[in-house]
Amino acid sequence: DGGITQSPKYLFRKEGQNVTLSCEQNLNHDAMYWYRQDPGQGLRLIYYSQIVNDFQKGDIAEGYSVSREKKESFPLTVTSAQKNPTAFYLCASSARAGAGGYTFGSGTRLTVV
Amino acid sequence: AQSVTQLGSHVSVSEGALVLLRCNYSSSVPPYLFWYVQYPNQGLQLLLKYTSAATLVKGINGFEAEFKKSETSFHLTKPSAHMSDAAEYFCAVREDGGATNKLIFGTGTLLAVQP
Repeated sequence: DGGITQSPKYLFRKEGQNVTLSCEQNLNHDAMYWYRQDPGQGLRLIYYSQIVNDFQKGDIAEGYSVSREKKESFPLTVTSAQKNPTAFYLCASSARAGAGGYTFGSGTRLTVV
Repeated sequence: AQSVTQLGSHVSVSEGALVLLRCNYSSSVPPYLFWYVQYPNQGLQLLLKYTSAATLVKGINGFEAEFKKSETSFHLTKPSAHMSDAAEYFCAVREDGGATNKLIFGTGTLLAVQP
């Protein structure tokens, strides 16, 4: 079955370390997205990519970086510059246009200690 | 620019009672609208979507939503709440123009179902 996979489910890191969250999809979707979710704040867009080798900053890109070298993969790196990285991170994908909406992964909960 | 407003960050109903979660949108073009559900520590799952066909849209788990252009609303309803409906619900609108599928989300409504 087609879907979108995020790994790991839980991630613990020490303050000051960079960490990379994985997102892979086999839906043949052109577009992929990263959101951050904090209690009571809904979903905030970090980065998105409409096509391979191209991506755009979302509303809260500072302290994060991404790459899109393959259609199937859109990894997110949380750098040491991110002031408050502890959060739930969601990856999603969609067709580039049309009315399909997003398919979401199951999320990665990052805790920085 | 598009936006969605979800009225009520927390809604509590009794099991068997009507569920009504409110969503109002702002859009300069005919909107594409979505409702998603999120259970604790999981991703979001699509409940239903409106894409300019029938104004009453039926989704999964017995939910439905009615698009009302005059009221710029897309409220989510379910006739009889079940304990398993307890979750967070997000309304979303596709960004203007349709050149992309980028969605703009509301801040969510947490639904509690009391026995």
